[in-house]
Amino acid sequence: DIQMTQSPASLSASLEEIVTITCQASQDIGNYLSWYQQKLGKSPQLLIHSATSLADGVPSRFSGSRSGTQYSLKINRLQVEDTGIYYCLQHYSAPWTFGGGTKLELK
Amino acid sequence: QVQLKESGPGLVQPSQTLSLTCTVSGFSLTSNSVSWVRQPPGKGLEWMGAIWSGGSTDYNSALKSRLSISRDTSKSQVFLKMNSLQTEDTAIYFCTRSYVMDAWGQGASVTVSS
Repeated sequence: DIQMTQSPASLSASLEEIVTITCQASQDIGNYLSWYQQKLGKSPQLLIHSATSLADGVPSRFSGSRSGTQYSLKINRLQVEDTGIYYCLQHYSAPWTFGGGTKLELK
Repeated sequence: QVQLKESGPGLVQPSQTLSLTCTVSGFSLTSNSVSWVRQPPGKGLEWMGAIWSGGSTDYNSALKSRLSISRDTSKSQVFLKMNSLQTEDTAIYFCTRSYVMDAWGQGASVTVSS
């Protein structure tokens, strides 16, 4: 199975700060990587698919990038509504696997 | 409008079988895959398995021996059955659409307890 190592596990940042979350894949997964945001008590929501493509309706301060088998989610100018838990997912090959999650809080 | 909705029993006895239904609308099961994802209390997301648009299935290696996913395209429903439930299977169970999981149900809370 492909392992997705997500870091950091938790993060505290200030309003308007730039935040970066990373996922390291254990092998090549191409661009078959998505990012999700989950708020407390809610279902996850798709932010980024195909490693770099912004999902419909997602603010442009979110962006995704790839360097080899390392994938990053960047949030420019952090807003209050961006708090929550973020997960990456590889869907290159079954079984699909999620990263462990990053809890993002406001400082 | 794309929608998914999970339904099933909230409480299951240990060693029994869990049966959940995901009823979808706004898209066709013959053109889209549906995955099941679960989340134990306070923990992360776990992909359980999927039924692809052509009807074939794939499962999480750790659950494969206990899990079955099927569908009824005429009713726009996807079914999850998992046997030999234990307390560790207590979780919220979500169904989601497509390879990028662009739509999710609200989740079904399942507690395994006697």
